[in-house]
Amino acid sequence: DTAVSQTPKYLVTQMGNDKSIKCEQNLGHDTMYWYKQDSKKFLKIMFSYNNKELIINETVPNRFSPKSPDKAHLNLHINSLELGDSAVYFCASTLSLASGESDTQYFGPGTRLTVL
Amino acid sequence: QQQVKQSPQSLIVQKGGISIINCAYENTAFDYFPWYQQFPGKGPALLIAIRPDVSEKKEGRFTISFNKSAKQFSLHIMDSQPGDSATYFCAASRVSSDYKLSFGAGTTVTVRA
Repeated sequence: DTAVSQTPKYLVTQMGNDKSIKCEQNLGHDTMYWYKQDSKKFLKIMFSYNNKELIINETVPNRFSPKSPDKAHLNLHINSLELGDSAVYFCASTLSLASGESDTQYFGPGTRLTVL
Repeated sequence: QQQVKQSPQSLIVQKGGISIINCAYENTAFDYFPWYQQFPGKGPALLIAIRPDVSEKKEGRFTISFNKSAKQFSLHIMDSQPGDSATYFCAASRVSSDYKLSFGAGTTVTVRA
């Protein structure tokens, strides 16, 4: 069973289009994240949701909008795609912020977005 | 502004050798220091982690050394194997806060047979 899954794995699209990436975790975790990994492999957090509530919103263009329909899903919608959005996007989840204990973040397999 | 600085960018080691990756941080509020391993085409996966109340943690061939006063920590991979060839990321976060992981830039390790 895949713990954190993302769809699609690859996404190729034209500049200006709108696209969505979906993420689901079956670990029963409360907290989910979106990360962006650029061409130099640098990983940067974009958003975090805890129990469907937005708790981290880094300096990300407002063309990016996360949506959490329930605590097992965190989707990422991107409007008006630009060349610089090309990257690998990773979803991750962790047990709970309420536990007060450090906990592993489990990453999905990534979605490679290419904007032409 | 990168909160965790990682070096080297890449390293090549012979099978059976020791790989050493170093990280430094500035934010003294950080209290959780994990290392993630990433293979090509895969997501990062937790390898080993340490809290600042210990100076060393060992799991199999992987050891984290932590120097709180110097604000530095390092990963040692003993008896490196070709299967260890991957990109390694150090990270830091505040457990008491939002678990936001600040990652280092990554080190690509190549183990030659």
